[in-house]
Amino acid sequence: ETGVTQTPRHLVMGMTNKKSLKCEQHLGHNAMYWYKQSAKKPLELMFVYNFKEQTENNSVPSRFSPECPNSSHLFLHLHTLQPEDSALYLCASSQGNGGDTDTQYFGPGTRLTVL
Amino acid sequence: GDSVTQMEGPVTLSEEAFLTINCTYTATGYPSLFWYVQYPGEGLQLLLKATKADDKGSNKGFEATYRKETTSFHLEKGSVQVSDSAVYFCALTGGYQKVTFGIGTKLQVIP
Repeated sequence: ETGVTQTPRHLVMGMTNKKSLKCEQHLGHNAMYWYKQSAKKPLELMFVYNFKEQTENNSVPSRFSPECPNSSHLFLHLHTLQPEDSALYLCASSQGNGGDTDTQYFGPGTRLTVL
Repeated sequence: GDSVTQMEGPVTLSEEAFLTINCTYTATGYPSLFWYVQYPGEGLQLLLKATKADDKGSNKGFEATYRKETTSFHLEKGSVQVSDSAVYFCALTGGYQKVTFGIGTKLQVIP
């Protein structure tokens, strides 16, 4: 059971394509996150949104463009990606109270392959 | 900055064996500590957490105790099952919505 859903679950795209990843949370949370998970590396935080405002951009290349139209939805727009961008992209949400007990809940991820 | 150290594995155990996955951390202040589990083809699920020193988090037979003196949060289970095969991530948060994850430890349980 998860209160965070992601679509699509799998995506294959060429380097010239434009695609979008979608995340939706049903937990009433105020903060949402994008992470990149690559083999043999710790999870990399990409973006943080709090009350629809971007509060963190962890030096992510501009070919990744996030959008947060409301507290329940988060998108990651992709264009002119590189093969090294192939990874599992995870969305998470949390209450967003900024405290050290703020717990993040994850979606199942989108497995992205860039050809 | 904050960091979390855990063995990468894989850790291979027979069913009903005792499990320990070590996790140590460095952080400023008083972080909360977490264990997440990732089953094949899925995202991360919160397994357990502890928010202050000497707290013990527990869930599904797994336990971990927040040890401030040794800056550790080792994961233990008395008797593992094949269904416990997954990747286990130790993590901490010191607030401000920043979570630091370890690299993940792959556990394989064989019948």
